[in-house]
Amino acid sequence: KNEVEQSPQNLTAQEGEFITINCSYSVGISALHWLQQHPGGGIVSLFMLSSGKKKHGRLIATINIQEKHSSLHITASHPRDSAVYICAVPSNTGNQFYFGTGTSLTVIP
Amino acid sequence: KAGVTQTPRYLIKTRGQQVTLSCSPISGHRSVSWYQQTPGQGLQFLFEYFSETQRNKGNFPGRFSGRQFSNSRSEMNVSTLELGDSALYLCASSLEWKLYEQYFGPGTRLTVT
Repeated sequence: KNEVEQSPQNLTAQEGEFITINCSYSVGISALHWLQQHPGGGIVSLFMLSSGKKKHGRLIATINIQEKHSSLHITASHPRDSAVYICAVPSNTGNQFYFGTGTSLTVIP
Repeated sequence: KAGVTQTPRYLIKTRGQQVTLSCSPISGHRSVSWYQQTPGQGLQFLFEYFSETQRNKGNFPGRFSGRQFSNSRSEMNVSTLELGDSALYLCASSLEWKLYEQYFGPGTRLTVT
């Protein structure tokens, strides 16, 4: 069993749609991270959160520690949001990170 | 500031050979982490170096090794290459080892034939 599970694996949306990507994890964590990877490989850290909700522009991340679940929402999606979104959690010992397999998002104009 | 640079960007090797990849962190960053990304396994943590010392290590065989120099530049080496080592190898640098403060390089695409 993977420590981090993401869904869906692939997602296609029309421009303007509201998008939700889910992440469930099995390890006890201090914080969960959301990453964005654009075609070509570049990775950017979007959020680090340990409770509640964080918002950055059209991106919103929420986490429920008790249920071991996090969601990444994109409001008013745009073609430039097309990327792979990856969630990551540190191991219990904090000496490495576990990553979800990623959600490939395509936003069509 | 210049970003994280990795060389080479693309590499083709044959099974059984060894390979060395290089990563230059952002100026002032002392932590360098390495990751492997494959279509089947996704992103996996390889190891992390800080002040020339390996502090953390993922679940990879001993064929994967690395080092860090006094100027914080890091190299990773894979010996006796296998087909399954074909992947995108990413390095990331940070002041300290925290994922959300890491800045990723563009990666080295390794193909093993």
